Amino acid sequence: QQPVQSPQAVILREGEDAVINCSSSKALYSVHWYRQKHGEAPVFLMILLKGGEQKGHEKISASFNEKKQQSSLYLTASQLSYSGTYFCGTHDSWGKLQFGAGTQVVVTP
Amino acid sequence: EAGVAQSPRYKIIEKRQSVAFWCNPISGHATLYWYQQILGQGPKLLIQFQNNGVVDDSQLPKDRFSAERLKGVDSTLKIQPAKLEDSAVYLCASSSLTATNYGYTFGSGTRLTVV
Repeated sequence: QQPVQSPQAVILREGEDAVINCSSSKALYSVHWYRQKHGEAPVFLMILLKGGEQKGHEKISASFNEKKQQSSLYLTASQLSYSGTYFCGTHDSWGKLQFGAGTQVVVTP
Repeated sequence: EAGVAQSPRYKIIEKRQSVAFWCNPISGHATLYWYQQILGQGPKLLIQFQNNGVVDDSQLPKDRFSAERLKGVDSTLKIQPAKLEDSAVYLCASSSLTATNYGYTFGSGTRLTVV
């Protein structure tokens, strides 16, 4: 079953912050985050493993709460280059990576 | 390192015709995935290979879709016959292991339009 992402879309001005949430009805082993720009392939940002760790990629960070089966992606001091669609992918114990429907992020000057 | 190569980049066919997509993963990556991405949706896994064996094909419409990975390297995905609802971007990805703690590298995809 695919994870649920929210919000569906967000518009930011440069320098603003945003949070994207990803939740699953199943117990999760890991969560992936990818960014896809229009007409391009999804690009891997980071992976979070069971254990509640938090990771960062430049000014983009994420957390994973395995008890709540949720992950959040934090865009801090957003830059124009952050625009794109962000997908979370979740692995349950069966190992198949299921993607959410995506969150479109638009950063304006 | 070279990325995941896919071809063709675009393909337009009529319904009921057949089409094939090719993927060359990153050298040394044992696991290869084919995903279907319909406009406005997240990628959906069609099939996963570990070397040249199938790990998961539970979401592959086997009456019309087939895939193979000969010699555990290149892979081909075929659709025969195509339907209008097969219009999508077909993404190939690879990773170094089946373990769930490695990210995937995606190719640029093949955009299929069925008319």
